[in-house]
Amino acid sequence: GDSVTQMEGPVTLSEEAFLTINCTYTATGYPSLFWYVQYPGEGLQLLLKATKADDKGSNKGFEATYRKETTSFHLEKGSVQVSDSAVYFCALSLATALIFGKGTTLSVSS
Amino acid sequence: AAGVIQSPRHLIKEKRETATLKCYPIPRHDTVYWYQQGPGQDPQFLISFYEKMQSDKGSIPDRFSAQQFSDYHSELNMSSLELGDSALYFCASSTDSSNTEAFFGQGTRLTVV
Repeated sequence: GDSVTQMEGPVTLSEEAFLTINCTYTATGYPSLFWYVQYPGEGLQLLLKATKADDKGSNKGFEATYRKETTSFHLEKGSVQVSDSAVYFCALSLATALIFGKGTTLSVSS
Repeated sequence: AAGVIQSPRHLIKEKRETATLKCYPIPRHDTVYWYQQGPGQDPQFLISFYEKMQSDKGSIPDRFSAQQFSDYHSELNMSSLELGDSALYFCASSTDSSNTEAFFGQGTRLTVV
């Protein structure tokens, strides 16, 4: 079935470090891909999305490129801040409900 | 900007009791989704509605039911509650069933004791 696999956490970084969170997917069709962020005690917020191959989603310094050939949608940020500490979920949608990865906890220290 | 409103934010119930969670989607959003997120887990899709009709069904237990009303708000009814039902329940809404961008509420934290 359709699924999302993302790197296990937690990821611990110092402020201004480079961030990569890997995400790969398995899907029977051509899904839309998303990154959601969940801050402690909060709901899920859409961080960025891409709806077709080679699309790049970006927001708040985060980027991810939809790579059909490697079925990947890795999240990157050039310089993380303490305020980026949260749980990040990669997700896909095939015109139905979202299928989420297990989530990656990011902790950024100053 | 208006967001998805869920109520209550917190709910404590005893085993075998019933609970009703409510979701008010963003105005003009006609699609509602319900998700369950256990402690330290990823959100799991339960059920969705488009234009007041059930559009998709995920891992929703038979003890749970849901509906979408004429004003597009939705309610998730949970009966014979079990300890394992303790979780964060999210509602999300979008402008159509393609789910290209679903907006999530802050969730209802249900604790079953």
